[in-house]
Amino acid sequence: DVKVTQSSRYLVKRTGEKVFLECVQDMDHENMFWYRQDPGLGLRLIYFSYDVKMKEKGDIPEGYSVSREKKERFSLILESASTNQTSMYLCASTRDSPYEQYFGPGTRLTVT
Amino acid sequence: DAKTTQPTSMDCAEGRAANLPCNHSTISGNEYVYWYRQIHSQGPQYIIHGLKNNETNEMASLIITEDRKSSTLILPHATLRDTAVYYCIVRVGNYGGSQGNLIFGKGTKLSVKP
Repeated sequence: DVKVTQSSRYLVKRTGEKVFLECVQDMDHENMFWYRQDPGLGLRLIYFSYDVKMKEKGDIPEGYSVSREKKERFSLILESASTNQTSMYLCASTRDSPYEQYFGPGTRLTVT
Repeated sequence: DAKTTQPTSMDCAEGRAANLPCNHSTISGNEYVYWYRQIHSQGPQYIIHGLKNNETNEMASLIITEDRKSSTLILPHATLRDTAVYYCIVRVGNYGGSQGNLIFGKGTKLSVKP
């Protein structure tokens, strides 16, 4: 069974802390994505990666960075967490064909 | 990617067919129609996709109009577990680089009632 896992389901951090969100997929997919989801705004793409060590900015990259050192792992980093980064964070992966994305269960991050 | 328009919410009786419409009047010839759904507190789940022919899988059927300006997702026998937000997305079919992402709108909240 295909699987995308995320390191935490719920996370509470303080303003200014450095936060790491990890995503692991076991499907040997080339492409991996980080989204955030907020009420009324739908899913918004933060960053994506189409290969190891490759990354591209999505629609809302400000305040975030990413790391992909291994094919199966894609990390999202909040260098200095702020309250406006309180959100649900979703990781996804896909191979080139077919084109469906597989999502992880999400991490609900609260920054206080 | 083309924009899509979906109703904000719909209700369906359990056991009946749920027909979810999507308008994508500016779709271009190389763009596919994708459907995902998101059950509360879970990540989105891929349902089906198509280019111009109707498609069917174990989850649903996708009917695309001949002019490709609209489509309908059909859940043939809706159950309470099908209550979710359903997203219709159009995008080009080839992946790689900046074309890899999906753009999710606000979707249709489907409520299946007993």
